[in-house]
Amino acid sequence: DTAVSQTPKYLVTQMGNDKSIKCEQNLGHDTMYWYKQDSKKFLKIMFSYNNKELIINETVPNRFSPKSPDKAHLNLHINSLELGDSAVYFCAVSVGPRFYGYTFGSGTRLTVV
Amino acid sequence: SQQGEEDPQALSIQEGENATMNCSYKTSINNLQWYRQNSGRGLVHLILIRSNEREKHSGRLRVTLDTSKKSSSLLITASRAADTASYFCATDYNAGNMLTFGGGTRLMVKP
Repeated sequence: DTAVSQTPKYLVTQMGNDKSIKCEQNLGHDTMYWYKQDSKKFLKIMFSYNNKELIINETVPNRFSPKSPDKAHLNLHINSLELGDSAVYFCAVSVGPRFYGYTFGSGTRLTVV
Repeated sequence: SQQGEEDPQALSIQEGENATMNCSYKTSINNLQWYRQNSGRGLVHLILIRSNEREKHSGRLRVTLDTSKKSSSLLITASRAADTASYFCATDYNAGNMLTFGGGTRLMVKP
């Protein structure tokens, strides 16, 4: 079983569409994250979420919204997609970064045309 | 701007040589972590060093941390072609339980 699984692996869509990326974890960790990796490989935190608290990076447009139906899932919804949203999106989970590292999913490559 | 910045951005070495990558950061941290990313894959956690530690080893990896200089280094000894990947440092500096990553060092190990 994959510890952190993302679907789909590839997503090609047109500008203006609304899309979702799903993330599921079977590690039982409390905290889940979404990161965006651009074409230059820079990783940017978008959201941190546990059962109690959602922390949003203030630079993330409000077209992006995380939704967690349960503790094992944190999905990323993107409205009105723009060309600049093209990137690889990674889900990650952690007990907490203070003493443990993250476990990453394999990524979703989003291409907006 | 990135909290962590790696140096060099790219490194090419022969198999068997050692590879050293450096990371600098800007604010006080709780810990610093190193990750590896193979092409087209997710990041894999390698090692975590706490702010009160100065050196840590894991197999062929050696990490140092100098909090006075706000810098860390990752040494891979006796490199192998399979070590070819991008290496990222990440810092936990109390930013809402989130890690901040640097831009990575792209390591190529030639057989």
